[in-house]
Amino acid sequence: DTGVSQDPRHKITKRGQNVTFRCDPISEHNRLYWYRQTLGQGPEFLTYFQNEAQLEKSRLLSDRFSAERPKGSFSTLEIQRTEQGDSAMYLCASSLVMVGAETQYFGPGTRLLVL
Amino acid sequence: AQSVTQLGSHVSVSEGALVLLRCNYSSSVPPYLFWYVQYPNQGLQLLLKYTSAATLVKGINGFEAEFKKSETSFHLTKPSAHMSDAAEYFCAVNLSYGNKLVFGAGTILRVKS
Repeated sequence: DTGVSQDPRHKITKRGQNVTFRCDPISEHNRLYWYRQTLGQGPEFLTYFQNEAQLEKSRLLSDRFSAERPKGSFSTLEIQRTEQGDSAMYLCASSLVMVGAETQYFGPGTRLLVL
Repeated sequence: AQSVTQLGSHVSVSEGALVLLRCNYSSSVPPYLFWYVQYPNQGLQLLLKYTSAATLVKGINGFEAEFKKSETSFHLTKPSAHMSDAAEYFCAVNLSYGNKLVFGAGTILRVKS
């Protein structure tokens, strides 16, 4: 069990550019979540997948954001035409769905700075 | 709708003193509750979770939390603070399995020597 990994760990981009982040969940975990965390706040839910199906998207996820999990393993989060307000830490978590409370295991995050 | 309130954005304690971080939740159904810790520039690590099996939950690093339905609280405690406990702590709630976590705003714990 190698844990959830995210790449890159840091990204600096100019406003208007597109960026893509990758998340590799714990193997055999069928659920994958994306959260966004801004300074001084707790993480906020963006979207989640069960296997390759995207089951829920937050209203925070504007149409500039798109997420995929093509084979039910790794996931990508793309932000098009970045804005300064997109600057945040993007966290990925994975879990194994089961009866009772699932535990979400978080990756180290990707910190995005939009100049 | 679910929500979580963490009282006190910053808490400062002396090394060896009791740690008490407060969390109150709002939920229309019995919730599942979690405490996570975040060290600078890192992701979140699970400290403990309440899943209705027992109201007093023991976690890692000597932390524990007690679920009090009458007070809608899930406060985190540790009898004796250590310098390595300095971090930000988040309380979170979700409804049954397969659901997103709703987090509080976090409490930064400072431990003084």
